[in-house]
Amino acid sequence: KNEVEQSPQNLTAQEGEFITINCSYSVGISALHWLQQHPGGGIVSLFMLSSGKKKHGRLIATINIQEKHSSLHITASHPRDSAVYICAPGGGADGLTFGKGTHLIIQP
Amino acid sequence: DAGVIQSPRHEVTEMGQEVTLRCKPISGHNSLFWYRQTMMRGLELLIYFNNNVPIDDSGMPEDRFSAKMPNASFSTLKIQPSEPRDSAVYFCASSSGGDSRYFGPGTRLTVT
Repeated sequence: KNEVEQSPQNLTAQEGEFITINCSYSVGISALHWLQQHPGGGIVSLFMLSSGKKKHGRLIATINIQEKHSSLHITASHPRDSAVYICAPGGGADGLTFGKGTHLIIQP
Repeated sequence: DAGVIQSPRHEVTEMGQEVTLRCKPISGHNSLFWYRQTMMRGLELLIYFNNNVPIDDSGMPEDRFSAKMPNASFSTLKIQPSEPRDSAVYFCASSSGGDSRYFGPGTRLTVT
């Protein structure tokens, strides 16, 4: 079973700050997902990546497959970024293993 | 596209009753996943299907849980008999060819 560690578990920051969330996992995989869960409970897939870096708007995700590590960055953070961010290693049609999530609060 | 559709959105039932959760994946997606989320354990995979065939059901807690996918546009997750510890939010998700997951809104189940 893939052991997934996310850090930090909780993060409160001021609007405009650069945010970094880290994810480490124990078993090599071909891809990794970053998910966002809104306060209302809905889950959105932000990224699926298998190497290097992906960028979508103010969000950037990186992965190092050899080191079994991924990071999610948010530039120019905004209160609407407040959510739980979940790392989930697993590629292709695999079922995914989930981290416990990082609770992010961006204060205005 | 309506996205992944789940019903009911909320279910409250008494211990011992049968509960059936329903999911309609996005049209054209060939993989369907059932997940459960609790405060204690976070998100967990229960079972997933590829092309309507169950691939991995190792996450199904026990024999009280069963899942079916009779066709490409419909899946059910059944709990019989239900217990209070089954209270959770159950998410269905679908994907195409191992691409990103699209999650449904979830079913919040409360077993009293």
